[in-house]
Amino acid sequence: GQQVMQIPQYQHVQEGEDFTTYCNSSTTLSNIQWYKQRPGGHPVFLIQLVKSGEVKKQKRLTFQFGEAKKNSSLHITATQTTDVGTYFCAVPRGQGNLIFGKGTKLSVKP
Amino acid sequence: GAVVSQHPSRVICKSGTSVKIECRSLDFQATTMFWYRQFPKQSLMLMATSNEGSKATYEQGVEKDKFLINHASLTLSTLTVTSAHPEDSSFYICSARDVGGNEKLFFGSGTQLSVL
Repeated sequence: GQQVMQIPQYQHVQEGEDFTTYCNSSTTLSNIQWYKQRPGGHPVFLIQLVKSGEVKKQKRLTFQFGEAKKNSSLHITATQTTDVGTYFCAVPRGQGNLIFGKGTKLSVKP
Repeated sequence: GAVVSQHPSRVICKSGTSVKIECRSLDFQATTMFWYRQFPKQSLMLMATSNEGSKATYEQGVEKDKFLINHASLTLSTLTVTSAHPEDSSFYICSARDVGGNEKLFFGSGTQLSVL
């Protein structure tokens, strides 16, 4: 079935350093979504990428969708302690549901 | 954005008892809701797709007789964990799809189930 690989599993950074998480699929995706889950919280939608090669920015967050629509990345510039959490990519599988990557847990040292 | 309300947020129960979790879409109608389970430090695993007015669709390996799903209205889906055992302890999260045209999901706040 549809699967998506996400790396790294963990990332520890010093506040102010950059952070990137990557997702890869073996099949072409119609779209890819990114979610953030704070410790003890529930996933919150960040963005959806649909177009080949698409790049979207949300303040310090940059999302990219590969040209082949098989991979995506989330980059955070100059991390802050408020960025702490687990970032998941998610891909549609049909029936309207999503399959989530394993997530990248980001910790930021002040 | 759309709001999904989930209750209770935390349940502690004895082994062998049943626990019901409610998921409500507050400001929109959801013909389909999704139930996920998340073990500590792991990703969200889709358990089942709840369809209003019809039977739920379960993922492979999920026991439908143990995890009863009822979606009796366009705003309410329930998940009942029957005869709960300690291995059922997990974080259960419901979600509903945004009906605005894209496919993003709105999640409830989750239910932390602890079975003693």
